[in-house]
Amino acid sequence: DGGITQSPKYLFRKEGQNVTLSCEQNLNHDAMYWYRQDPGQGLRLIYYSQIVNDFQKGDIAEGYSVSREKKESFPLTVTSAQKNPTAFYLCASSTGQRGGYQETQYFGPGTRLLVL
Amino acid sequence: GNSVTQMEGPVTLSEEAFLTINCTYTATGYPSLFWYVQYPGEGLQLLLKATKADDKGSNKGFEATYRKETTSFHLEKGSVQVSDSAVYFCALSDRLAGTASKLTFGTGTRLQVTL
Repeated sequence: DGGITQSPKYLFRKEGQNVTLSCEQNLNHDAMYWYRQDPGQGLRLIYYSQIVNDFQKGDIAEGYSVSREKKESFPLTVTSAQKNPTAFYLCASSTGQRGGYQETQYFGPGTRLLVL
Repeated sequence: GNSVTQMEGPVTLSEEAFLTINCTYTATGYPSLFWYVQYPGEGLQLLLKATKADDKGSNKGFEATYRKETTSFHLEKGSVQVSDSAVYFCALSDRLAGTASKLTFGTGTRLQVTL
């Protein structure tokens, strides 16, 4: 079955530590996205990528970094510069075809990041 | 900028009751509109979508109509079940540079259905 997988389900970060969240998709989608969800709030866009080796900042990119070396993979690193990292992180993908604003974004199951 | 406003929850209903969750939006251009559902501890699942004015999206008994004149996309279901208990997010999609799209979400409405 095609879909998006995220790992781990729970991740604990110590002060000053960088941590990396994994996102893999086998939907053959070109576009991938990272969102952050805080309690009682909607999702906010961190980074997005339209094609391999290209990515752009979203609304809340500070303290985060990404890479896109393979079409299937879009890992997110939460750096020590992110002072309030506790949140639920969701990865999504879409086909990335022209007229993309009409497309559906499909979401993974999420990773919950907690600070020790 | 774009924004989405949803009614605040929680919404508590008895099984078989009628459901309406209000959603209004502000956007330039002609966005697509979506309803996503999130069950506890899980990611978001697409419930339904509409891509142009007067389109009606429907799925699993849920419906929503894209009303450009009132900038609304209210979610309705005629008879809710306990299994519908979840958080519902209204979202609009606008074009980013190139071929990617950006989803702007409302804050979500929690629905609790009791027997």
